[in-house]
Amino acid sequence: AQSVSQHNHHVILSEAASLELGCNYSYGGTVNLFWYVQYPGQHLQLLLKYFSGDPLVKGIKGFEAEFIKSKFSFNLRKPSVQWSDTAEYFCAVSGGYQKVTFGTGTKLQVIP
Amino acid sequence: ETGVTQTPRHLVMGMTNKKSLKCEQHLGHNAMYWYKQSAKKPLELMFVYNFKEQTENNSVPSRFSPECPNSSHLFLHLHTLQPEDSALYLCASSQRGAGGLNEQFFGPGTRLTVL
Repeated sequence: AQSVSQHNHHVILSEAASLELGCNYSYGGTVNLFWYVQYPGQHLQLLLKYFSGDPLVKGIKGFEAEFIKSKFSFNLRKPSVQWSDTAEYFCAVSGGYQKVTFGTGTKLQVIP
Repeated sequence: ETGVTQTPRHLVMGMTNKKSLKCEQHLGHNAMYWYKQSAKKPLELMFVYNFKEQTENNSVPSRFSPECPNSSHLFLHLHTLQPEDSALYLCASSQRGAGGLNEQFFGPGTRLTVL
């Protein structure tokens, strides 16, 4: 069975600070990896995804994530956060043809 | 706007009521999903439909009954719910291909409160 672990439940940063949100998964085979974001009052939407190829994936709004297979990790990064990045971030994994499994989410609060 | 709509957006019901949640996708996708989102818990997959056929029932109690009349519409029929069923119910759709799962597009959700 696959699982996802997000270690930080609540992160508070000042504007312009750098962001890294941790995501670790467990699954023995090939995986597809996703980061979704949910802005206050809005629907879940895809931030970025990794299927294959370059392990450094760039998404919307300056976000990127790096797939490190040896560490079973897919951490999300942004060099300089903005107040508008305040949201909840979900890591998700899909192993092969399996369903997508989501993490518990990390709430990011950016202080102006 | 993601192309996935859900109605109603808010629903309050008693434990003896029967109600239905509706989801419609305008993206031409072939798979649709129901998720339950509760505070401090991971997003829980409830049901998956591929080409109108249910392919996943994630040990969901029978008081939740899904229906998928065509690949664009998905319903969740509710009856004799419990207060612990109060949550945000999300619908999603995706295009499932030979390569596996693609990204899912989510609706805004229905905020359900069971009294």
